[in-house]
Amino acid sequence: GAGVSQSPSNKVTEKGKDVELRCDPISGHTALYWYRQSLGQGLEFLIYFQGNSAPDKSGLPSDRFSAERTGGSVSTLTIQRTQQEDSAVYLCASSGYQETQYFGPGTRLLVL
Amino acid sequence: GQQLNQSPQSMFIQEGEDVSMNCTSSSIFNTWLWYKQDPGEGPVLLIALYKAGELTSNGRLTAQFGITRKDSFLNISASIPSDVGIYFCAGPKKAGGTSYGKLTFGQGTILTVHP
Repeated sequence: GAGVSQSPSNKVTEKGKDVELRCDPISGHTALYWYRQSLGQGLEFLIYFQGNSAPDKSGLPSDRFSAERTGGSVSTLTIQRTQQEDSAVYLCASSGYQETQYFGPGTRLLVL
Repeated sequence: GQQLNQSPQSMFIQEGEDVSMNCTSSSIFNTWLWYKQDPGEGPVLLIALYKAGELTSNGRLTAQFGITRKDSFLNISASIPSDVGIYFCAGPKKAGGTSYGKLTFGQGTILTVHP
């Protein structure tokens, strides 16, 4: 596609439920990143995929968070047993090898 | 990871005024990036700086990479209503890293422009 797309745009869930957030990177981009943006805050790095290398998971805040990237393209970020503090905008970005990151519009997650 | 301190937190200006915001760190950065985020959108890269002392312009935007490599500023001249948004500085999360991996972001500067 023309840019990074994310779905859903908005997600409201109840505390304790699992959620899956999807990211479709720009075609041909080898690197994919997930960030979290809490209200009034900057972006917080979560996880980074580069090609076929093992992902850098150093930013995941807890073991309730996981992500996978299938076929080197689409990525899914899963949050298990959601908590209210997980409420945030989850942003995905992709880039070519050693190139600028392009961001998607984000998924706004609200945990009630 | 490295931390970025961005100021001011918010600015309210009249259309036509110039704007300046800055970012500082206690650690040295090899790259400084400036992004703008419109409501409901993801950040968009405005300017990238790769060399200490570098001064780069993009239209009405000018950014500089501080000589100490611990700071950067972004100036917007003759502001217009569409400049409204949140401006973020960013740099490699790992000390000595490149801009091609995970980034760390400042807290953002919220810019409001009154017509």
